[in-house]
Amino acid sequence: ETGVTQSPTHLIKTRGQQVTLRCSSQSGHNTVSWYQQALGQGPQFIFQYYREEENGRGNFPPRFSGLQFPNYSSELNVNALELDDSALYLCASSLSGTGDEKLFFGSGTQLSVL
Amino acid sequence: AQKITQTQPGMFVQEKEAVTLDCTYDTSDQSYGLFWYKQPSSGEMIFLIYQGSYDEQNATEGRYSLNFQKARKSANLVISASQLGDSAMYFCAMRRKSSGDKLTFGTGTRLAVRP
Repeated sequence: ETGVTQSPTHLIKTRGQQVTLRCSSQSGHNTVSWYQQALGQGPQFIFQYYREEENGRGNFPPRFSGLQFPNYSSELNVNALELDDSALYLCASSLSGTGDEKLFFGSGTQLSVL
Repeated sequence: AQKITQTQPGMFVQEKEAVTLDCTYDTSDQSYGLFWYKQPSSGEMIFLIYQGSYDEQNATEGRYSLNFQKARKSANLVISASQLGDSAMYFCAMRRKSSGDKLTFGTGTRLAVRP
């Protein structure tokens, strides 16, 4: 069983740039969620994708956007990067509609905005 | 609003002993789930254990057990026979049925296992 994989593992950008982070969900999972984890804090929910559509969003501005593809992989895009966007970005996959409640996370992408 | 509280920023435990990590939650929902995740320095969030609000038995997964006290809204994680590899951050999280798969996390507890 293939786990959740994220790329890249580390990224350095400058303020104002745009970034795309990628996630491959665990085999058989149809739902992908993205979380932002600032240093010393718990992860914060950004949004979730199910069947290629956004299915819930946290308190993040529109410059955070995403996609889910037919194979259930996903991208997180952040435009106009700000210094406070520096964080670990975690992707989680799950299987919705079956009663299986578990979410499995990838190792994350560490984004540094200079 | 739902909230998760972890009051222990850091904990020490001697190798081979048991340790309890505290978690309390606040929600008015009747249907919800409680999770514990382990986050080593590598950053990956590793799923440990899950407890549904309607589950009558406390969840167990190997050396991990969840002490679920619904009336007190607590969901403490018990790790038995601690190992050096258990040193990590531990996060408690809650998901309400009404909010889909969104997890709300606590601030975490850093556990250090002493040899």
